[in-house]
Amino acid sequence: GNSVTQMEGPVTLSEEAFLTINCTYTATGYPSLFWYVQYPGEGLQLLLKATKADDKGSNKGFEATYRKETTSFHLEKGSVQVSDSAVYFCALPANTGNQFYFGTGTSLTVIP
Amino acid sequence: DVKVTQSSRYLVKRTGEKVFLECVQDMDHENMFWYRQDPGLGLRLIYFSYDVKMKEKGDIPEGYSVSREKKERFSLILESASTNQTSMYLCASRLYRGPGADTQYFGPGTRLTVL
Repeated sequence: GNSVTQMEGPVTLSEEAFLTINCTYTATGYPSLFWYVQYPGEGLQLLLKATKADDKGSNKGFEATYRKETTSFHLEKGSVQVSDSAVYFCALPANTGNQFYFGTGTSLTVIP
Repeated sequence: DVKVTQSSRYLVKRTGEKVFLECVQDMDHENMFWYRQDPGLGLRLIYFSYDVKMKEKGDIPEGYSVSREKKERFSLILESASTNQTSMYLCASRLYRGPGADTQYFGPGTRLTVL
Protein backbone atom coordinates (compact mmCIF):
# COMPACT_ATOMS: atom_id res chain seq x y z
CA GLY A 1 0.00 0.00 0.00
CA ASN A 2 0.87 3.67 -0.06
CA SER A 3 3.10 5.11 2.65
CA VAL A 4 5.33 8.09 3.48
CA THR A 5 8.60 8.39 5.35
CA GLN A 6 9.41 11.75 6.79
CA MET A 7 12.57 13.26 8.20
CA GLU A 8 12.79 12.98 11.96
CA GLY A 9 12.91 16.11 14.04
CA PRO A 10 13.05 18.27 15.90
CA VAL A 11 14.61 20.93 13.72
CA THR A 12 15.82 24.22 15.16
CA LEU A 13 16.81 27.07 12.84
CA SER A 14 17.66 30.71 13.15
CA GLU A 15 15.40 33.23 11.50
CA GLU A 16 16.11 33.67 7.77
CA ALA A 17 17.80 30.26 7.49
CA PHE A 18 16.99 27.82 4.68
CA LEU A 19 14.65 24.96 5.50
CA THR A 20 14.41 21.49 4.00
CA ILE A 21 12.21 18.74 5.41
CA ASN A 22 12.58 15.47 3.56
CA CYS A 23 9.67 13.26 2.58
CA THR A 24 9.76 10.12 0.47
CA TYR A 25 6.79 8.06 -0.54
CA THR A 26 5.84 4.59 -1.70
CA ALA A 27 2.80 4.41 -3.90
CA THR A 28 1.02 2.42 -6.52
CA GLY A 29 0.26 4.80 -9.33
CA TYR A 30 0.60 8.56 -8.90
CA PRO A 31 -1.54 9.87 -6.08
CA SER A 32 -1.61 13.53 -5.11
CA LEU A 33 0.90 14.53 -2.43
CA PHE A 34 0.29 16.94 0.44
CA TRP A 35 2.07 18.91 3.13
CA TYR A 36 0.07 19.86 6.21
CA VAL A 37 1.10 22.21 9.01
CA GLN A 38 0.00 22.14 12.64
CA TYR A 39 0.54 25.30 14.66
CA PRO A 40 0.66 24.98 18.46
CA GLY A 41 -2.71 24.10 19.95
CA GLU A 42 -4.43 23.71 16.58
CA GLY A 43 -5.49 21.01 14.15
CA LEU A 44 -3.75 20.32 10.86
CA GLN A 45 -4.25 22.61 7.90
CA LEU A 46 -3.26 22.16 4.30
CA LEU A 47 -0.02 23.95 3.45
CA LEU A 48 0.41 22.88 -0.18
CA LYS A 49 -0.21 20.01 -2.56
CA ALA A 50 0.85 18.63 -5.94
CA THR A 51 -1.27 16.45 -8.15
CA LYS A 52 1.17 14.92 -10.65
CA ALA A 53 4.83 14.32 -11.37
CA ASP A 54 6.96 17.49 -11.70
CA ASP A 55 4.19 19.63 -10.23
CA LYS A 56 5.36 22.21 -7.73
CA GLY A 57 3.07 23.15 -4.88
CA SER A 58 3.68 26.46 -3.16
CA ASN A 59 2.17 28.56 -0.39
CA LYS A 60 3.41 31.14 2.15
CA GLY A 61 6.94 30.91 0.73
CA PHE A 62 7.06 27.11 1.08
CA GLU A 63 7.57 24.90 -1.97
CA ALA A 64 7.63 21.19 -2.72
CA THR A 65 8.10 19.41 -6.05
CA TYR A 66 6.58 16.02 -6.88
CA ARG A 67 9.60 13.96 -7.98
CA LYS A 68 8.64 10.65 -9.55
CA GLU A 69 12.22 9.52 -10.23
CA THR A 70 13.27 9.86 -6.58
CA THR A 71 9.78 9.28 -5.09
CA SER A 72 10.21 12.43 -3.02
CA PHE A 73 8.24 15.52 -2.05
CA HIS A 74 10.67 17.57 0.04
CA LEU A 75 9.44 20.76 1.67
CA GLU A 76 11.63 23.87 1.31
CA LYS A 77 11.58 27.49 2.32
CA GLY A 78 14.29 29.97 1.54
CA SER A 79 14.03 32.14 4.64
CA VAL A 80 12.12 30.92 7.68
CA GLN A 81 10.41 33.18 10.19
CA VAL A 82 9.58 32.70 13.86
CA SER A 83 5.93 32.35 12.85
CA ASP A 84 6.82 29.20 10.86
CA SER A 85 7.43 27.32 14.09
CA ALA A 86 5.05 24.36 13.85
CA VAL A 87 4.86 20.64 13.11
CA TYR A 88 4.88 19.67 9.44
CA PHE A 89 3.33 16.48 8.04
CA CYS A 90 3.78 14.89 4.65
CA ALA A 91 0.75 12.87 3.46
CA LEU A 92 -0.79 10.99 0.56
CA PRO A 93 -4.15 9.31 0.02
CA ALA A 94 -4.80 5.65 -0.63
CA ASN A 95 -5.48 4.66 -4.21
CA THR A 96 -8.89 3.39 -3.29
CA GLY A 97 -11.11 4.22 -0.39
CA ASN A 98 -10.60 6.93 2.13
CA GLN A 99 -7.36 6.39 3.96
CA PHE A 100 -4.76 9.15 4.15
CA TYR A 101 -1.26 8.16 5.15
CA PHE A 102 0.69 10.67 7.22
CA GLY A 103 4.34 10.90 8.11
CA THR A 104 5.27 11.08 11.77
CA GLY A 105 5.65 14.85 11.63
CA THR A 106 8.68 17.14 11.87
CA SER A 107 8.72 19.78 14.57
CA LEU A 108 10.32 23.06 13.49
CA THR A 109 11.38 25.77 15.91
CA VAL A 110 12.67 29.05 14.51
CA ILE A 111 14.60 31.25 16.92
CA PRO A 112 15.07 35.00 16.47
CA ASP B 1 -14.32 27.84 3.83
CA VAL B 2 -14.89 24.41 5.26
CA LYS B 3 -15.31 24.42 8.98
CA VAL B 4 -14.82 21.37 11.16
CA THR B 5 -15.64 21.86 14.82
CA GLN B 6 -15.06 19.58 17.78
CA SER B 7 -17.15 19.74 20.93
CA SER B 8 -14.32 20.23 23.40
CA ARG B 9 -10.72 21.45 23.23
CA TYR B 10 -9.77 19.85 26.54
CA LEU B 11 -11.40 16.98 28.40
CA VAL B 12 -10.48 15.18 31.61
CA LYS B 13 -12.17 11.88 32.40
CA ARG B 14 -11.74 9.03 34.84
CA THR B 15 -10.84 5.45 34.02
CA GLY B 16 -13.93 3.43 33.15
CA GLU B 17 -16.07 6.41 32.13
CA LYS B 18 -17.90 6.45 28.80
CA VAL B 19 -16.61 9.35 26.72
CA PHE B 20 -18.21 11.02 23.72
CA LEU B 21 -16.24 13.20 21.33
CA GLU B 22 -18.36 15.10 18.82
CA CYS B 23 -17.38 16.46 15.44
CA VAL B 24 -19.43 18.58 13.06
CA GLN B 25 -18.59 19.75 9.53
CA ASP B 26 -20.53 22.34 7.57
CA MET B 27 -19.66 21.55 3.94
CA ASP B 28 -21.79 18.51 3.19
CA HIS B 29 -18.75 16.22 2.97
CA GLU B 30 -19.40 12.53 2.48
CA ASN B 31 -16.34 11.34 4.34
CA MET B 32 -15.36 11.89 7.95
CA PHE B 33 -12.46 10.58 10.01
CA TRP B 34 -11.21 10.21 13.56
CA TYR B 35 -7.48 10.15 14.27
CA ARG B 36 -5.41 10.11 17.39
CA GLN B 37 -2.12 11.94 17.52
CA ASP B 38 0.69 10.88 19.82
CA PRO B 39 4.29 12.13 19.98
CA GLY B 40 6.57 10.13 17.70
CA LEU B 41 3.68 8.20 16.17
CA GLY B 42 2.10 10.86 14.00
CA LEU B 43 -1.57 10.49 13.13
CA ARG B 44 -3.22 7.10 13.36
CA LEU B 45 -6.64 6.47 11.90
CA ILE B 46 -9.21 5.08 14.33
CA TYR B 47 -12.37 4.97 12.22
CA PHE B 48 -13.82 6.63 9.17
CA SER B 49 -17.25 6.98 7.68
CA TYR B 50 -18.18 7.41 4.02
CA ASP B 51 -21.91 7.92 4.47
CA VAL B 52 -24.58 8.18 7.11
CA LYS B 53 -24.64 5.04 9.25
CA MET B 54 -21.64 3.64 7.33
CA LYS B 55 -18.30 3.16 9.03
CA GLU B 56 -15.03 1.35 8.53
CA LYS B 57 -12.26 0.50 10.94
CA GLY B 58 -8.96 2.24 10.59
CA ASP B 59 -5.63 1.11 11.95
CA ILE B 60 -6.38 1.26 15.68
CA PRO B 61 -10.13 0.75 16.32
CA GLU B 62 -9.78 -1.29 19.53
CA GLY B 63 -11.47 0.38 22.49
CA TYR B 64 -13.40 2.82 20.28
CA SER B 65 -16.70 2.95 18.46
CA VAL B 66 -18.30 5.59 16.25
CA SER B 67 -21.69 6.87 15.28
CA ARG B 68 -22.86 8.79 12.25
CA GLU B 69 -26.59 9.44 12.37
CA LYS B 70 -26.45 12.65 10.35
CA LYS B 71 -24.19 13.57 7.48
CA GLU B 72 -22.61 16.52 9.24
CA ARG B 73 -21.90 14.82 12.56
CA PHE B 74 -19.45 12.06 13.44
CA SER B 75 -19.04 10.92 17.03
CA LEU B 76 -16.22 8.96 18.59
CA ILE B 77 -17.09 6.89 21.66
CA LEU B 78 -14.74 5.46 24.23
CA GLU B 79 -16.88 2.77 25.85
CA SER B 80 -14.71 2.49 28.96
CA ALA B 81 -11.90 5.01 29.01
CA SER B 82 -8.43 3.83 29.93
CA THR B 83 -5.25 5.75 30.69
CA ASN B 84 -3.65 4.60 27.42
CA GLN B 85 -6.34 6.51 25.56
CA THR B 86 -4.93 9.79 26.81
CA SER B 87 -4.14 11.56 23.56
CA MET B 88 -5.00 14.32 21.12
CA TYR B 89 -8.02 13.38 19.00
CA LEU B 90 -8.47 14.97 15.60
CA CYS B 91 -11.55 14.89 13.42
CA ALA B 92 -11.38 15.49 9.67
CA SER B 93 -13.67 15.55 6.67
CA ARG B 94 -13.17 15.15 2.94
CA LEU B 95 -15.51 15.51 0.02
CA TYR B 96 -14.27 12.72 -2.26
CA ARG B 97 -12.54 9.36 -1.92
CA GLY B 98 -9.44 8.10 -3.68
CA PRO B 99 -6.02 9.40 -4.75
CA GLY B 100 -7.03 12.80 -6.06
CA ALA B 101 -6.19 16.31 -4.98
CA ASP B 102 -9.09 16.69 -2.62
CA THR B 103 -7.74 17.55 0.81
CA GLN B 104 -8.85 16.55 4.28
CA TYR B 105 -10.05 19.39 6.53
CA PHE B 106 -9.27 19.11 10.21
CA GLY B 107 -10.89 20.30 13.38
CA PRO B 108 -8.86 21.95 16.16
CA GLY B 109 -8.51 18.74 18.15
CA THR B 110 -9.60 17.52 21.57
CA ARG B 111 -6.90 16.84 24.11
CA LEU B 112 -8.26 14.03 26.28
CA THR B 113 -6.69 13.09 29.59
CA VAL B 114 -7.85 9.91 31.31
CA LEU B 115 -6.95 9.71 34.99
